[in-house]
Amino acid sequence: DSGVTQTPKHLITATGQRVTLRCSPRSGDLSVYWYQQSLDQGLQFLIQYYNGEERAKGNILERFSAQQFPDLHSELNLSSLELGDSALYFCASSPGLAGETQYFGPGTRLLVL
Amino acid sequence: DQQVKQNSPSLSVQEGRISILNCDYTNSMFDYFLWYKKYPAEGPTFLISISSIKDKNEDGRFTVFLNKSAKHLSLHIVPSQPGDSAVYFCAAPTSGSRLTFGEGTQLTVNP
Repeated sequence: DSGVTQTPKHLITATGQRVTLRCSPRSGDLSVYWYQQSLDQGLQFLIQYYNGEERAKGNILERFSAQQFPDLHSELNLSSLELGDSALYFCASSPGLAGETQYFGPGTRLLVL
Repeated sequence: DQQVKQNSPSLSVQEGRISILNCDYTNSMFDYFLWYKKYPAEGPTFLISISSIKDKNEDGRFTVFLNKSAKHLSLHIVPSQPGDSAVYFCAAPTSGSRLTFGEGTQLTVNP
C-alpha cells in the first residue's frame, strides 16, 4: 500500500459526459501528479500540483482540468468525454517539488462508451 | 521524442535464475532514474532508484546498474521468483518533476 488513495476505482460513462477523479496523497506529501495510461501511449504525465498551485503541465487536453485543495487532495476533471479518453488514470505524490521518488495510487479505470 | 526506451516488450525466465531488464535513455542531463513494477489493475510500485553519480545500487534481490557513457541502465533480479512476474518500467524525472517512462517490459518468471 503506497498510502495514495484514488476514487473511484472504476468509472463507466458515455461520450460527452463529465467525470471527476479524486486523489488523496500520502500523509505529508505536498506534490500531486496525474498520469494517464492508455493502450497505445504508455504512461504519460498530465499535470503536477504543489501545495495548491499548478507547477508543471504535460500533454493535458484543454477538456481536462485539475486542482489541489487546501487539505492537499486533488481532483482531475474530464469533460466532453470521447471514446479515446478511456484509459487508466493514476495519481502519484511526493514530499516536495522535484527530484524525488513518486508513489502511485491504485488508479481509476475510465471507460467511455 | 522517446527519451527513455525499453526495447524488450517481454522477458521470460525460470524461477531461481537471474532476470535482467534493460533501459536506454537519450538525455544526458538525467540525474536520477527509477524502476517501478506494475501488476495488472494496480498502480506502479516503486522498486529501486539510482542517482547519476553512482553506477550501482542494490536493495535485496534487486540491483540497478547505470552506464552513463552508454546511456544505459539495467535492473537485475536474482533469484527471480514467480511473484516477480509483472510489467517493469524504468523512468527518469524530466523538467524537474514529471516522470518520463519507458514502454515497459513484461517479466514472466516460470516455476
